[in-house]
Amino acid sequence: DGGITQSPKYLFRKEGQNVTLSCEQNLNHDAMYWYRQDPGQGLRLIYYSQIVNDFQKGDIAEGYSVSREKKESFPLTVTSAQKNPTAFYLCASSIRGETQYFGPGTRLLVL
Amino acid sequence: EDKVVQSPLSLVVHEGDTVTLNCSYEVTNFRSLLWYKQEKKAPTFLFMLTSSGIEKKSGRLSSILDKKELFSILNITATQTGDSAIYLCAALNFNKFYFGSGTKLNVKP
Repeated sequence: DGGITQSPKYLFRKEGQNVTLSCEQNLNHDAMYWYRQDPGQGLRLIYYSQIVNDFQKGDIAEGYSVSREKKESFPLTVTSAQKNPTAFYLCASSIRGETQYFGPGTRLLVL
Repeated sequence: EDKVVQSPLSLVVHEGDTVTLNCSYEVTNFRSLLWYKQEKKAPTFLFMLTSSGIEKKSGRLSSILDKKELFSILNITATQTGDSAIYLCAALNFNKFYFGSGTKLNVKP
């Protein structure tokens, strides 16, 4: 069954802690994306990657980092530099220039 | 600056009403316009529009793109309470999807 998985569903972060959100896809898509969504807001692009071992900053990359060592995986680290990390994080993938599909999301909360 | 603007921001209607949601865009190297429906989870894909003037339909939903005036509309006829959601549009260029802030639709019984 092809799709995009994200884990965990909920994540709690303590002050000063780095946390990593997982995103895996088995759709054989080249492009992968991370978005942040705040309550009542649209999606804001954090990072995206068009190909393995390459990624670009989106509109709100500060305080976040990513890696793309495998085609299937695009993990997002929320660093301690991100002062307001509470949000809904969505991972997506697409064939370049085609429809983008989303994972189920991770809700990050700060303790 | 590339941007996508949706209107209205929110809308309250009664079951059976017809609604029109608007999406205007200014995106360099524009390729396609996409519509998504988001309930309390991840967005689900509705339509992808690439050609101007060609309506796409799925049940009670339909959408059309005007590449000259740089906008798209999403129509929902005979609305149902299950249509209550946030509707997002996104403009795609070669590399990125630019999302609007969404229209929150509330359909009352």
